Amino acid sequence: DGGITQSPKYLFRKEGQNVTLSCEQNLNHDAMYWYRQDPGQGLRLIYYSQIVNDFQKGDIAEGYSVSREKKESFPLTVTSAQKNPTAFYLCASSRGGDSNQPQHFGDGTRLSIL
Amino acid sequence: AQKVTQAQTEISVVEKEDVTLDCVYETRDTTYYLFWYKQPPSGELVFLIRRNSFDEQNEISGRYSWNFQKSTSSFNFTITASQVVDSAVYFCALIVEVNDMRFGAGTRLTVKP
Repeated sequence: DGGITQSPKYLFRKEGQNVTLSCEQNLNHDAMYWYRQDPGQGLRLIYYSQIVNDFQKGDIAEGYSVSREKKESFPLTVTSAQKNPTAFYLCASSRGGDSNQPQHFGDGTRLSIL
Repeated sequence: AQKVTQAQTEISVVEKEDVTLDCVYETRDTTYYLFWYKQPPSGELVFLIRRNSFDEQNEISGRYSWNFQKSTSSFNFTITASQVVDSAVYFCALIVEVNDMRFGAGTRLTVKP
């Protein structure tokens, strides 16, 4: 089945540690996205990528980094500079190009601080 | 600036009741797209519907229906004869520019048996 796979489902970060969240898609989508979801709030865009080897900052990129070396993969690193990383992180993909394409989401990764 | 407002934070209904989730959007652009997503407890957002700004025709899909009114900048979602499986958080979203999807804060719907 085609879809988006995020791993791990739960992740714990120690003080000063960088952690990487995985996102893989087999939908052959060009565009991929990372969102952060906090309780009672909507999704906020962290980074997005329209094509391999290219990515753009979203509204809340500080303290995060991404790479897009392969079309299928868009890992997100939460760095030690992100002082409030506890949140639910969602990865999405879309065909890209036109803005009317719906985004397809993974199951999310819940990140907590130890 | 683009913005989506879902004023209802939580709604609780009894099974078989009809329920309407409100969505109000703001944009100065004439071309835009509106979406509804469902987020069940598993966490994944499930795409429900997409509507472009030039198509004000209401849509019905089974027990779901959507009412798009440009005059009031609203894109409301109605579930008829609600079921327990409809319990989830529902998000309304707006896209004006490519890759810039703006989400509302979401409405948590609880359907009690």
